[in-house]
Amino acid sequence: AQSVTQLGSHVSVSEGALVLLRCNYSSSVPPYLFWYVQYPNQGLQLLLKYTTGATLVKGINGFEAEFKKSETSFHLTKPSAHMSDAAEYFCAVSEGSARQLTFGSGTQLTVLP
Amino acid sequence: EAGVAQSPRYKIIEKRQSVAFWCNPISGHATLYWYQQILGQGPKLLIQFQNNGVVDDSQLPKDRFSAERLKGVDSTLKIQPAKLEDSAVYLCASSLLPPNTEAFFGQGTRLTVV
Repeated sequence: AQSVTQLGSHVSVSEGALVLLRCNYSSSVPPYLFWYVQYPNQGLQLLLKYTTGATLVKGINGFEAEFKKSETSFHLTKPSAHMSDAAEYFCAVSEGSARQLTFGSGTQLTVLP
Repeated sequence: EAGVAQSPRYKIIEKRQSVAFWCNPISGHATLYWYQQILGQGPKLLIQFQNNGVVDDSQLPKDRFSAERLKGVDSTLKIQPAKLEDSAVYLCASSLLPPNTEAFFGQGTRLTVV
């Protein structure tokens, strides 16, 4: 069975500061890992994904994440936060032949001026 | 490329009434998902279709929820009768066949049960 834990339901950073959103997963097989962003009253938009290969993956809007198998983590980072980054971020894992997506509970990112 | 279309965007109903949501996936996407997102929580998978068939409906409350995907394209999700705890955003998503599971989401339907 797979599960996702996002540490910190709310994170606040100043504009220009480093963004770090934490995600840990459990999976019995090599997982596919995803980060999605959700703006108010919108659906989810894919930021980046890890399937195989390079463990550091780059996504849209300057975000990146590193798959660390030994730590079962897939933390999301961005060197410099922008006001437009304020949104809710969801980590997700998929495994199994049908590759069902299981989401974490989300982290609300606030960017302070 | 057109995205995943959902309707309606908002719905308010009284408890014990019925409601239906519609989803049109991205053309060519064989896999279709319905998720329930309760306020403050992550999306929870209700049902996953692959073409016409159901892959996973283990978390679908089958006594009141039903879903179908006729002809492997559009899908409808129905709730009958609705309960207060069904208030949530219902998200539809689609993707190509596994292992390519990058899911594309619609804007969702916000259901309020009063």
